Amino acid sequence: GAVVSQHPSRVICKSGTSVKIECRSLDFQATTMFWYRQFPKQSLMLMATSNEGSKATYEQGVEKDKFLINHASLTLSTLTVTSAHPEDSSFYICSARGQSSYNEQFFGPGTRLTVL
Amino acid sequence: AQSVAQPEDQVNVAEGNPLTVKCTYSVSGNPYLFWYVQYPNRGLQFLLKYITGDNLVKGSYGFEAEFNKSQTSFHLKKPSALVSDSALYFCAVRDIPGQAGTALIFGKGTTLSVSS
Repeated sequence: GAVVSQHPSRVICKSGTSVKIECRSLDFQATTMFWYRQFPKQSLMLMATSNEGSKATYEQGVEKDKFLINHASLTLSTLTVTSAHPEDSSFYICSARGQSSYNEQFFGPGTRLTVL
Repeated sequence: AQSVAQPEDQVNVAEGNPLTVKCTYSVSGNPYLFWYVQYPNRGLQFLLKYITGDNLVKGSYGFEAEFNKSQTSFHLKKPSALVSDSALYFCAVRDIPGQAGTALIFGKGTTLSVSS
C-alpha cells in the first residue's frame, strides 16, 4: 500500500508553545488528508478534513484557531497546535487519500505530543 | 450519519482457539467497511476491507471478516489465535463512496488478549 509519514514521531513541549506536525504522502498525491486524535486506549476521533488548496473542514467541537491545518501541496499537510496546554497531550494521526486510491485511506505512524 | 459500534471492550481467547471481534455499523447508503489493528504506541495497520462482492473477506495475518447486510455486522474472525495477535482492533466505516472528502469513522476499539 501507499506510505504516509509523520514528523516528528514524538514531541515534548512546554505549555504555551506551538507545535507543528507534518504529514507527507511519500508515493502518491493526497487529494484529501485527515487528522485524527487518539487518547490512550480510546478510539480515533476525526478532527478535520482538508483538501489540497482549500481550507480545512473541522469536526464539531474542534477549535480551528487552536488546531491550524494547512494542506498546501498534494503531498504535505501540517497540523499546528497553537498555545499548547497539557490537555492537548495526545496521539495525533494523519491519514491521506488520493484520487487513484479511490477507497483507500492510508495512515501515518502517529505523533505523540506531550505538553508539560 | 454513519457510525460504528464495537460492543466489547475486551476479548480474551486462548492461543489456538478461534476468535471473533464484533462490529456493527450504521450508514445511510452502502457501507465501505474496514478493520485495522494497532499495537502499543504504533500507528494503524490495515487488515482487510469490504467494498462489494463476496461477503466473506480475507485479509492479512489469517484474519477474515463476514459482511452481513441484514444484521448490519462485519465481525472479524480468525480460526486459530496467536499470542502475537494481542492488540487493539478497530472497525471503521465509510459512507458515500466516491466522495474523497468522506473520512473513515472508527469504532471505540476492542482489545484482544490471547493467552498462551
